[in-house]
Amino acid sequence: GENVEQHPSTLSVQEGDSAVIKCTYSDSASNYFPWYKQELGKRPQLIIDIRSNVGEKKDQRIAVTLNKTAKHFSLHITETQPEDSAVYFCAASTRDYKLSFGAGTTVTVRA
Amino acid sequence: SAVISQKPSRDICQRGTSLTIQCQVDSQVTMMFWYRQQPGQSLTLIATANQGSEATYESGFVIDKFPISRPNLTFSTLTVSNMSPEDSSIYLCSVRTGATDTQYFGPGTRLTVL
Repeated sequence: GENVEQHPSTLSVQEGDSAVIKCTYSDSASNYFPWYKQELGKRPQLIIDIRSNVGEKKDQRIAVTLNKTAKHFSLHITETQPEDSAVYFCAASTRDYKLSFGAGTTVTVRA
Repeated sequence: SAVISQKPSRDICQRGTSLTIQCQVDSQVTMMFWYRQQPGQSLTLIATANQGSEATYESGFVIDKFPISRPNLTFSTLTVSNMSPEDSSIYLCSVRTGATDTQYFGPGTRLTVL
């Protein structure tokens, strides 16, 4: 089955700086890569996703890049704000739509 | 996106008992899934809830322990049977709508087994 590795496990950044989270996947058939943000006690919320036919996608301060050859994808958050503090999960799925999640990254934005 | 609700939101149960969790969506969805999130951990897929047929379970999860029903396109239940403290987790349903890959999660059910 799919194995998704996520790094780092924790990330502390100064407000206004950028944050980068990296994930690798094992199954070359994976074609969909979402990122979820989970605040304490809340459900995971989809923040951005990318499909295998696209190399990069941006939505305001958030961007995701995908390198299919190397089987890795990354989340970039620019101009971080305190409300960006949360746990972020990457995931991957193949045509069966089953999501395999990374272990998560706890992001803390220091004011 | 679909509006997803789960009942109960939380429960405390005694070992050896069973709990049924409900997931209701406000519109018809193409796929429904059940995930488990153990304390401080990531999400793990338990099974795909298939409408009108038996669920498809992932490795490590069996029907006798986690029976699932999906009688229609907007509703599913997950039962956690013969519970032990190791079953203490958050259980989340997710749905895939339309022809997209996107999955949305319900609010989760926080289960504590004593």
